[in-house]
Amino acid sequence: NAGVTQTPKFQVLKTGQSMTLQCAQDMNHEYMSWYRQDPGMGLRLIHYSVGAGITDQGEVPNGYNVSRSTTEDFPLRLLSAAPSQTSVYFCASSYKGILGELFFGEGSRLTVL
Amino acid sequence: AQKVTQAQTEISVVEKEDVTLDCVYETRDTTYYLFWYKQPPSGELVFLIRRNSFDEQNEISGRYSWNFQKSTSSFNFTITASQVVDSAVYFCALNGNKLVFGAGTILRVKS
Repeated sequence: NAGVTQTPKFQVLKTGQSMTLQCAQDMNHEYMSWYRQDPGMGLRLIHYSVGAGITDQGEVPNGYNVSRSTTEDFPLRLLSAAPSQTSVYFCASSYKGILGELFFGEGSRLTVL
Repeated sequence: AQKVTQAQTEISVVEKEDVTLDCVYETRDTTYYLFWYKQPPSGELVFLIRRNSFDEQNEISGRYSWNFQKSTSSFNFTITASQVVDSAVYFCALNGNKLVFGAGTILRVKS
């Protein structure tokens, strides 16, 4: 099983550019989420989804959009990148929703210049 | 509001020492879950344990043990006889309606 697959692993953007971080899981998990990891701040929840067609905001949603058209995919869109969005992004999924163990992707390191 | 505090930013120990990582949480929920995750230098996040709020029994898994005390809202993690491979960032997390992570503790085990 591939588990949770994130692409790209590294990306450099200029301020104002847009991009999409892809996340796919092959475990048929209903719950998927995006976190950003910044030094000294742990992981902060950006957006999450409890199933196809359902998304909701987390702790730091501003500047990010998500959609969930299928169970497998949960892309994260940066509409107009800002230097404050320089971070490592993790996608995670769970078979028991927020009560369960999270399976994480390998992370995507994004730098916004 | 939910909050997880890992007061120890960084801990350095010598191999074979025991080390305890502290985790203190805040929640108004009566039912909640607590987690520990490990992030080794390679960067991936690995699940270690989940504990629900109704189960205060301590848990031991090899060299790892966890002490859950509702009276002090703590869920501490102890590594016995630490090894260099234990070097990582360790995150404590809490969920009620959303999963909230602490800031993490960097553990450096020196040989």
